[in-house]
Amino acid sequence: ETGVTQSPTHLIKTRGQQVTLRCSSQSGHNTVSWYQQALGQGPQFIFQYYREEENGRGNFPPRFSGLQFPNYSSELNVNALELDDSALYLCASSPTVNTEAFFGQGTRLTVV
Amino acid sequence: AQKVTQAQTEISVVEKEDVTLDCVYETRDTTYYLFWYKQPPSGELVFLIRRNSFDEQNEISGRYSWNFQKSTSSFNFTITASQVVDSAVYFCALTPNSGYSTLTFGKGTMLLVSP
Repeated sequence: ETGVTQSPTHLIKTRGQQVTLRCSSQSGHNTVSWYQQALGQGPQFIFQYYREEENGRGNFPPRFSGLQFPNYSSELNVNALELDDSALYLCASSPTVNTEAFFGQGTRLTVV
Repeated sequence: AQKVTQAQTEISVVEKEDVTLDCVYETRDTTYYLFWYKQPPSGELVFLIRRNSFDEQNEISGRYSWNFQKSTSSFNFTITASQVVDSAVYFCALTPNSGYSTLTFGKGTMLLVSP
C-alpha cells in the first residue's frame, strides 16, 4: 500500500506567476484535502475533493483552485502568486469523508 | 465557528520524563471528531488518534495516552517516559461530523526531548 505522495517537494516561484502542485492519494482513498501551513502555524484548510467534485472550501480566494482526477489524484493550482503564499502545502487523503486523513510530506513553496 | 487552542507553544523535557500536551476546543456541533497529529522536521503530518465526541473513554497506546473530557472541552495527550524521537510539533485538530471533513488545527506544541 503506497502512502500519499506530493510533488515537487520544494519550489521557488516569482510573485505573479502561477504554480501547480500535485498529490497522489493513498490507494483506495476517494477524498483529497489540501491545506496551507505557514511557518509556525497550524495547517489551514483550502478545499476538499470527493469523487472528483469539490466538497468544501475554506477561506481562500478563487485564485486557489483544484482538480481531482478519476484515479483520485489531485492538483492544487495557485494563480497570481503573492509573497504570503509562501508556505508548506499539504495534501491529505481519506478513505472517504469524515475518516482519518493521511498526509503527504508536503510541498514547500517559496514566492520571491 | 470552530476553534482549537494549544496554549503551550514549546515544551522542553529530559528523556524519560512524562509530558502532557494540552488541547482545548470550541464547537457548536453536537457531534464531532478530535485528532492528534505529529509533525517531525520532515514536515509530514503523522496521524496518531481520532476520537468521536460520543466516546469519552480514555485511550492508551503504548507510551501514548489521551484524556478526553467533554465537560471541559479538552483532549489532552500524554507521553510517558519520553524519548528523543518524540521531539516534534504536535497538533490537535477538530472536525464536525458533517458532509465534509475540514480539520481545524491548533497552532501546535513543539516538544523538545533532550538526552
